[in-house]
This record gives sequence, structure tokens and C-alpha cells, in this order.
Amino acid sequence: SAVISQKPSRDICQRGTSLTIQCQVDSQVTMMFWYRQQPGQSLTLIATANQGSEATYESGFVIDKFPISRPNLTFSTLTVSNMSPEDSSIYLCSVEGEGEQFFGPGTRLTVL
Amino acid sequence: GQQLNQSPQSMFIQEGEDVSMNCTSSSIFNTWLWYKQDPGEGPVLLIALYKAGELTSNGRLTAQFGITRKDSFLNISASIPSDVGIYFCAGLGGSQGNLIFGKGTKLSVKP
Repeated sequence: SAVISQKPSRDICQRGTSLTIQCQVDSQVTMMFWYRQQPGQSLTLIATANQGSEATYESGFVIDKFPISRPNLTFSTLTVSNMSPEDSSIYLCSVEGEGEQFFGPGTRLTVL
Repeated sequence: GQQLNQSPQSMFIQEGEDVSMNCTSSSIFNTWLWYKQDPGEGPVLLIALYKAGELTSNGRLTAQFGITRKDSFLNISASIPSDVGIYFCAGLGGSQGNLIFGKGTKLSVKP
């Protein structure tokens, strides 16, 4: 299985600011994803991070709010822009390989 | 969109007891995955199921892929305190293409 790391592991941010979360994988992967897990809830897919092209966003998520970069096959970033308290969640990076999907440790974001 | 109905929502059991949880869907999936999430951590993959009817074990965990490809269950035998956490089922390869999660089963184990 792939080893996935995320930075930062947690952060407390002020309303109106932006935070960029980094995801690093120890091997090259084709498919990388970003999920959001709101407090006490299940995981919701934000977008698929595509290498060399724009990310593919799920319904309810837009590029202006959650810009994503995927410069190579081992790295991606997710930015949470113009944050509000409703953005307080755990943000998780995920990769797919050999029919299975693995998750990073998550970034716990609190917006005041 | 597609939804997975996971039950029970929570369980409180005594150490040593067996546990069973399941997921159902109105849609067909090609793969069923079961994850465990500890507080402050990302989900960790426990078992992956690829074929209808498949029964797979991982230590004290056993999971099955339903014949109709619309359901799956996870059993934990002889539970121990470290089994505490939230268990998620997830289906892959449905009409939406991406991984769909159940709402989770929160397991509490009394020593």
C-alpha cells in the first residue's frame, strides 16, 4: 500500500484567510483525490486531482473555493479559500492503486 | 446520487463479544471496501472485496461481498478494546465511478 503524508496535520485559521494543504505519496500514482469529513460525518469527495490538467470537481464544490494543484504523480495541494467556520473539517488526501483506495492521516482544520 | 445505508449507526459491546455490521445499496458496485478510522486519523483499509459472493478474512475480521453486488457485511470476532473506532463501508465502481462511503458504525468496547 502507498504511504501518504499530509501537511499540516492541523491548523486553526481566521475567517477570510486561505490554507493550502499538501499531500505527498511515496510512489507514483495515477489517481489522487481530496475528501472532506465534517465533524461526526462520513467522507465526501471534493475532487479528483489530475496530473497535467484541471481537477475534476464533484457537485457542490468549485475551483474558486478549493483550487487544486497536481504538478506530478506523487504530490498534490488543496487550498481552502476565503474560509468560514463552515469549512471546519478534516481534509483527506487519497490515492487509488490496484483496485484499492488509501487515505492520508488528514488535516484537521478549525476556522474561527 | 448513489447512497450506501450502513447499520447500525453505533454499537456498545462487551469485550469478547462478536460484532456484525452491514451496508446496503440500491446500486451495484464492483468493489466493496471496509475501513476503520481512529480519532484524529485517516481511514485505514481493513478488507477489500472484488467478487460477488467473496468471503475474505483478515485476522478476527471477516467480510463478504453480497451475491447481488448491492450489499456487504463485516464481522469482528472476540472484540478487544483496540477495536474501538468508526468503521466505514465504501463501494467502488458504481454508476458515479468514484468511491462512495457509508455513514459509519461507531463501535465502543467495554473491557
